[in-house]
Amino acid sequence: ETGVTQSPTHLIKTRGQQVTLRCSSQSGHNTVSWYQQALGQGPQFIFQYYREEENGRGNFPPRFSGLQFPNYSSELNVNALELDDSALYLCASSTRSGSRPYNEQFFGPGTRLTVL
Amino acid sequence: GESVGLHLPTLSVQEGDNSIINCAYSNSASDYFIWYKQESGKGPQFIIDIRSNMDKRQGQRVTVLLNKTVKHLSLQIAATQPGDSAVYFCAEAAGNKLTFGGGTRVLVKP
Repeated sequence: ETGVTQSPTHLIKTRGQQVTLRCSSQSGHNTVSWYQQALGQGPQFIFQYYREEENGRGNFPPRFSGLQFPNYSSELNVNALELDDSALYLCASSTRSGSRPYNEQFFGPGTRLTVL
Repeated sequence: GESVGLHLPTLSVQEGDNSIINCAYSNSASDYFIWYKQESGKGPQFIIDIRSNMDKRQGQRVTVLLNKTVKHLSLQIAATQPGDSAVYFCAEAAGNKLTFGGGTRVLVKP
């Protein structure tokens, strides 16, 4: 059990709608990363949040946005949903350390989004 | 561009045998290389990582080998058990960003 939780577990939306996914990081972790995992593929990095600011972004359009709150929990918002947005959305928490370039990321179970 | 890929999409192994999962990477600037295990309906679970200045690291029943000359990474699982059945991903870390490969499914036969 990693301690990272995500909600909801499953979600069905239609094209053009907006969705908000939520993530609670593991206790003591100050960094949250979001990934999109299409069926049968590896996760793709969307962005990372540290100290409530975006700290790196992958190749995703601006309609993918996020927030991090003072308690380090995070939201992923996707506007104008497209069919290709159907995927498992994963969040991962970690503790950023200035002395180490990479810090182990602990993943939540994901939110399965289906866009019809 | 940066990419991490795997040679074999599915690996079938007899229970008790050793498993070897291979991965090729392209970003020479990556700091760490990580192996994740993902079971159905769950998020990826960390198995082991290796820093780019190392060539071998051992954990409990697992060994990761890194060959920077040919940009190759492998995960060896000793005495494979039914609970090892899952999809395995290699990932490379450049700073705060993880780049994952496409995954290898490991099926353990009783």
